[in-house]
Amino acid sequence: GQQVMQIPQYQHVQEGEDFTTYCNSSTTLSNIQWYKQRPGGHPVFLIQLVKSGEVKKQKRLTFQFGEAKKNSSLHITATQTTDVGTYFCAGRGGGATNKLIFGTGTLLAVQP
Amino acid sequence: NAGVTQTPKFQVLKTGQSMTLQCAQDMNHEYMSWYRQDPGMGLRLIHYSVGAGITDQGEVPNGYNVSRSTTEDFPLRLLSAAPSQTSVYFCASSYLQGPHEQFFGPGTRLTVL
Repeated sequence: GQQVMQIPQYQHVQEGEDFTTYCNSSTTLSNIQWYKQRPGGHPVFLIQLVKSGEVKKQKRLTFQFGEAKKNSSLHITATQTTDVGTYFCAGRGGGATNKLIFGTGTLLAVQP
Repeated sequence: NAGVTQTPKFQVLKTGQSMTLQCAQDMNHEYMSWYRQDPGMGLRLIHYSVGAGITDQGEVPNGYNVSRSTTEDFPLRLLSAAPSQTSVYFCASSYLQGPHEQFFGPGTRLTVL
């Protein structure tokens, strides 16, 4: 079945450093979403990418969807302590599949 | 708009007991789903539904039942609780068309002794 992996599992950075998490699917995706979960909270939607090669930016966050629609990345420039949390990608397979499969997540720790 | 609500927030069960986790949404979303979250495992899909009367299995459906009699409600039933079902359970909902943004409930922390 469809599997979505993320690396790294954990990243510790100094405030001001950049951060990137990578997401890889075993199957081609119709779209990919990214979520952020603060410690003790629930996942909150950040963005959705649909087109092959798509790049979207939200302030210091840059999201990319691979040309083959099987991988994606989230890059944060100049991290802040407010960026702390776990970042998940989630992919929906093509065709009749509606289910959304989440990646394993990357926990980001930011040291002031 | 209450969004997605889940009850209870916390629950402790003994092995073999059954219970139902409640989930409701007031956004008229067609798609609803249940995930469990365990350390290092991310969010794993248990069951999902694309509308009233339609449910399907996710990645880890064993030991859980669901039904969708209305658009608003999507309860998750644990038939005979096991310690391996100790986890945090999240319910989520979204539209089927359009941006598909998933709205999550606050979660239920379940411990099975």
